Amino acid sequence: EAQVTQNPRYLITVTGKKLTVTCSQNMNHEYMSWYRQDPGLGLRQIYYSMNVEVTDKGDVPEGYKVSRKEKRNFPLILESPSPNQTSLYFCASSYNTGELFFGEGSRLTVL
Amino acid sequence: AQSVTQLDSQVPVFEEAPVELRCNYSSSVSVYLFWYVQYPNQGLQLLLKYLSGSTLVESINGFEAEFNKSQTSFHLRKPSVHISDTAEYFCAVSQFQGAQKLVFGQGTRLTINP
Repeated sequence: EAQVTQNPRYLITVTGKKLTVTCSQNMNHEYMSWYRQDPGLGLRQIYYSMNVEVTDKGDVPEGYKVSRKEKRNFPLILESPSPNQTSLYFCASSYNTGELFFGEGSRLTVL
Repeated sequence: AQSVTQLDSQVPVFEEAPVELRCNYSSSVSVYLFWYVQYPNQGLQLLLKYLSGSTLVESINGFEAEFNKSQTSFHLRKPSVHISDTAEYFCAVSQFQGAQKLVFGQGTRLTINP
């Protein structure tokens, strides 16, 4: 089954404790992206990657890092999480046609 | 830069009634337009898209949207809604046909009452 898989789905952590949200897709998509969803703000792009070893900042990259060492994986790293990073995070991938395939989301709470 | 405004944060309607979800965009260049749907506790799914050609585009489940360049709008309509249409709907715009720099609106929560 074609899918985008994110882990963990739910996480509660404390300020400053490094965490990684993994994202993996099995559709051989070149394009991958991370978004955060906050009430009243819709989805905002954090980082995106056009291909392996090619990443670029989205609209809200501060406080986040990404890497794209393999085509299928695109982890999101929070080196020192803060409470304003409490959000619902979505990973997405695409053949770069404008149709994004989303994961089920990762709800992160930073205390 | 592009931006998207969805004019209604919530739209309640009765089952079998028509509905329109409004979307306006701003851009200094030609754009490509999308509607995504998010069912409860799920990720987003593409509902329909306008890339070129006919300004009226349709989805497989009865929704349609019309690209109006003069009014910079891409409103989503359905003539008769079902309970299963309850979801949040996001309008999105890009200056590229690809997925990079896809800008989303704030979302409209559609609630269908029996």
